[in-house]
Amino acid sequence: QKEVEQDPGPLSVPEGAIVSLNCTYSNSAFQYFMWYRQYSRKGPELLMYTYSSGNKEDGRFTAQVDKSSKYISLFIRDSQPSDSATYLCAMSGRAGGSYIPTFGRGTSLIVHP
Amino acid sequence: DGGITQSPKYLFRKEGQNVTLSCEQNLNHDAMYWYRQDPGQGLRLIYYSQIVNDFQKGDIAEGYSVSREKKESFPLTVTSAQKNPTAFYLCASSIAPGQGYSNQPQHFGDGTRLSIL
Repeated sequence: QKEVEQDPGPLSVPEGAIVSLNCTYSNSAFQYFMWYRQYSRKGPELLMYTYSSGNKEDGRFTAQVDKSSKYISLFIRDSQPSDSATYLCAMSGRAGGSYIPTFGRGTSLIVHP
Repeated sequence: DGGITQSPKYLFRKEGQNVTLSCEQNLNHDAMYWYRQDPGQGLRLIYYSQIVNDFQKGDIAEGYSVSREKKESFPLTVTSAQKNPTAFYLCASSIAPGQGYSNQPQHFGDGTRLSIL
């Protein structure tokens, strides 16, 4: 079992839909959780960064962390064609003293007009 | 504007040739990283450095080498020993832990796509 599992998709939704992207993980030592957006042929861009459990909102984006279930989510409200990209989850913690994040494989999102 | 600059954007390697990918940052970050990204796979760590003149191997260091002579620069050399070098290479930087901060997220450059001729 990989440390971080993320469904690669693609996930195809109509414009205006609410999108839910998810990752599960196995390492209970993870404390820091990140979501990145990556457009084709570009580097990942940090969208959300959260510590421990709870919710964080930034505009149309909401990140949720449920440490008891080892499950994190990114919600995108009123999705736009410009949101079409690959979304990577990443997490890090004190496991073995490592602060280096572990990345999911990424979920490809397509928002069609 | 602060950021990470990777060059070149595209690079071609001939058999038996070493090639060097450039990564420069002006974010004043101590930590820098190199990742490899293959289609359908997550980011795999090649090397990382927390401080000038020091670096550590990541998960897939074989066939690669790095140097860290300046805080701003972390070049990656793909040697002829790397038999499958075709991939998208990403450089990242972050505030290193232990500087009074909790784990800080990484910021990425726009990558170099390496192909075999």
